Amino acid sequence: DTAVSQTPKYLVTQMGNDKSIKCEQNLGHDTMYWYKQDSKKFLKIMFSYNNKELIINETVPNRFSPKSPDKAHLNLHINSLELGDSAVYFCASSLRDNSPLHFGNGTRLTVT
Amino acid sequence: KQEVTQIPAALSVPEGENLVLNCSFTDSAIYNLQWFRQDPGKGLTSLLLIQSSQREQTSGRLNASLDKSSGRSTLYIAASQPGDSATYLCAVGRSYNTDKLIFGTGTRLQVFP
Repeated sequence: DTAVSQTPKYLVTQMGNDKSIKCEQNLGHDTMYWYKQDSKKFLKIMFSYNNKELIINETVPNRFSPKSPDKAHLNLHINSLELGDSAVYFCASSLRDNSPLHFGNGTRLTVT
Repeated sequence: KQEVTQIPAALSVPEGENLVLNCSFTDSAIYNLQWFRQDPGKGLTSLLLIQSSQREQTSGRLNASLDKSSGRSTLYIAASQPGDSATYLCAVGRSYNTDKLIFGTGTRLQVFP
């Protein structure tokens, strides 16, 4: 009965490769997000979607492309991976504006 | 530009102590403030959400206060337990839409038996 689930949990890949991370929520929430947590544990928003529409794109390189096939899913595709992309990526969702966020357990991406 | 700071960065206390975690923000024009808990290798769990019009919120042994004018929030944990060991993060929402959450860097708490 996982609320926000993302796969894979770990992802190790080489520079230049293309990879995807999937996220699904079964909470019936309208808004989904991608956050990046760097090596210093600092969390920063990357994207948010509301009912499949992009709301926020926070100065993220266009190598990162989110896709929301429906409001329960928000996937993150990354092209031409770079060393600096290594981080933990968290998916999250919320019911509506001004309500608590629910996070997935994260995907640790390591680019070698 | 909104900046969120949490002090201390790390805290180690014996079981049973009452403790206070601090969060400060530079721009008082916030819409809400949330406190989260992060366990190692896990995502964040929302603990408390305080609206900008509120002064405090309580959940069990947790109490969060908000002083918007001074740019401060505190998370009070009563009768700490080893299970409270985690990293605690605060985040402020700058607009009506909580998409604009700005996170602090967290306080790593260890409660030893």
